[in-house]
Amino acid sequence: EDQVTQSPEALRLQEGESSSLNCSYTVSGLRGLFWYRQDPGKGPEFLFTLYSAGEEKEKERLKATLTKKESFLHITAPKPEDSATYLCAVQNQGDFNKFYFGSGTKLNVKP
Amino acid sequence: EAQVTQNPRYLITVTGKKLTVTCSQNMNHEYMSWYRQDPGLGLRQIYYSMNVEVTDKGDVPEGYKVSRKEKRNFPLILESPSPNQTSLYFCASRPGTGVGEQYFGPGTRLTVT
Repeated sequence: EDQVTQSPEALRLQEGESSSLNCSYTVSGLRGLFWYRQDPGKGPEFLFTLYSAGEEKEKERLKATLTKKESFLHITAPKPEDSATYLCAVQNQGDFNKFYFGSGTKLNVKP
Repeated sequence: EAQVTQNPRYLITVTGKKLTVTCSQNMNHEYMSWYRQDPGLGLRQIYYSMNVEVTDKGDVPEGYKVSRKEKRNFPLILESPSPNQTSLYFCASRPGTGVGEQYFGPGTRLTVT
């Protein structure tokens, strides 16, 4: 069964303190791995799609990487406005109409 | 503005009273989907639709119905809501079945008493 586990559940950082969020996945064949940001009271907002091991994508202070078993979202010198819940999702190659989400990492960046 | 809209945003109802949550997108997307989000469980897919008149079950379809009569609309129907359907619901769309990220609506918070 396809499964996505995110860790840690919550992360508190000081402004400027870099860190990484982990997304471990089990899927019979990976079509795509997605990262979303979710602010309180809002729907998830797309950040990145990764398709194959070794792929990396960057956007401002965020960098997503992918291996065959996990993905990392690296946050460099975070700012308070980066505070949000970050969600990871996988899409199975065998049935790419279905998506499996992790329960998210809630990031709090203090000034 | 490209967007997915949901109505209502908040709903409190009683057990057994049929309700419909509407979802509409203005991006001409073929694929639409419904999710529920519960603490500690993440987003779970309820139903999805690959195009007009084509729908299929996600991971947690029990107690829900959907229809796709027009490309832009994908309503979620709870014919006899129960308290365990109290949740935060999101509608999403994407350009096609195989490609592209999903765009999410703002969510509907449903409470069933």
